[in-house]
Amino acid sequence: QQQVKQSPQSLIVQKGGISIINCAYENTAFDYFPWYQQFPGKGPALLIAIRPDVSEKKEGRFTISFNKSAKQFSLHIMDSQPGDSATYFCAASMTHAGGTSYGKLTFGQGTILTVHP
Amino acid sequence: EPEVTQTPSHQVTQMGQEVILRCVPISNHLYFYWYRQILGQKVEFLVSFYNNEISEKSEIFDDQFSVERPDGSNFTLKIRSTKLEDSAMYFCASSEEVSVGTQYFGPGTRLLVL
Repeated sequence: QQQVKQSPQSLIVQKGGISIINCAYENTAFDYFPWYQQFPGKGPALLIAIRPDVSEKKEGRFTISFNKSAKQFSLHIMDSQPGDSATYFCAASMTHAGGTSYGKLTFGQGTILTVHP
Repeated sequence: EPEVTQTPSHQVTQMGQEVILRCVPISNHLYFYWYRQILGQKVEFLVSFYNNEISEKSEIFDDQFSVERPDGSNFTLKIRSTKLEDSAMYFCASSEEVSVGTQYFGPGTRLLVL
């Protein structure tokens, strides 16, 4: 019920291409869905986040698409660059008071993205 | 830009020894978290802390673990008697308000138990 499933495990894209990473969740009480970027030896850094009241959010080259009925969300990286090569994690949490597991992030397994020059 | 800091960056210890991992959350944040990441695996929640008490803890956070906010700035994770399987990267995170959602992560402490 608390799981977040992420795919693919790894992704290789050419420079300028589109990278797409998908996540699915089960718990309909989740109401906050962030994506984190992690470089080797570093902590996860928030990239972009969405709430279920919108179907898409765009920030620069990064877009989240959200499908509430399918309980799926995805990260699209347009014009992928070698500097985007990192591990990407989707996550989900409940941010409304009164529920159990209030606030904690549940992470997906991660996707290792490699962008070739 | 404010950031979460953690010390030490690396810690090597012998099995059975106690370790204390330290974190300085962002100054106006009220909610604090510890997560861990075993090499090559996903980030896992350990514990959340608010108003000087534990809000929630995972199954991983057994009696060997404890957290404390000893003063107005530090947030610590103590492992009383380390095991080999405690070897992992430990991340501290903080958020201003849970309803906002955003958690900011520190750079982590890599713990190696021999």
